Amino acid sequence: DQQVKQNSPSLSVQEGRISILNCDYTNSMFDYFLWYKKYPAEGPTFLISISSIKDKNEDGRFTVFLNKSAKHLSLHIVPSQPGDSAVYFCAAMQGAQKLVFGQGTRLTINP
Amino acid sequence: NAGVTQTPKFQVLKTGQSMTLQCAQDMNHNSMYWYRQDPGMGLRLIYYSASEGTTDKGEVPNGYNVSRLNKREFSLRLESAAPSQTSVYFCASRDPRGVYYEQYFGPGTRLTVT
Repeated sequence: DQQVKQNSPSLSVQEGRISILNCDYTNSMFDYFLWYKKYPAEGPTFLISISSIKDKNEDGRFTVFLNKSAKHLSLHIVPSQPGDSAVYFCAAMQGAQKLVFGQGTRLTINP
Repeated sequence: NAGVTQTPKFQVLKTGQSMTLQCAQDMNHNSMYWYRQDPGMGLRLIYYSASEGTTDKGEVPNGYNVSRLNKREFSLRLESAAPSQTSVYFCASRDPRGVYYEQYFGPGTRLTVT
């Protein structure tokens, strides 16, 4: 049973516009969420995170929003740049050690 | 700092063969992890080691064994490879005292079992 779901396998956005990637989760015990970015033939790299006690966290062009009542989080990238083209994974902390990942969304930024 | 390194980068095995995937980190992290990534499945945790001397099962441990050789190194062994173990394997490490809980990943090992 997939506890973290990214329902959009792919997303295409024009350069300079906003990219919005979505993630849903089912386990209300998750209390910390992370976004990772992955380029082909490389390992995932940490992008931004949010604690369940917050509803927003911002880092430069990247903002993560958390709606606990809806069990939904989203990653906003503004403005989108060609280097943002990658696969984005949403993940949730389960306990002190385990990360549970979503399936990933492939973002393509078109010039 | 090299971060997290993995060897080999690529490997082809025949069904029934065994092999060990190696992982090392130079960030003095206590916790280390092994994941597999399959198309449409995201990353799934195989085993982890919260600290030197301890290992625990993750979501998909069947068919694998691990060894936490020392603080730096955490290996993953396939005793009798099966085609279902064809995947990309990632090792990761984390400092549990870190503020953001993020794990640092190696570049991956692409394994094909025929």
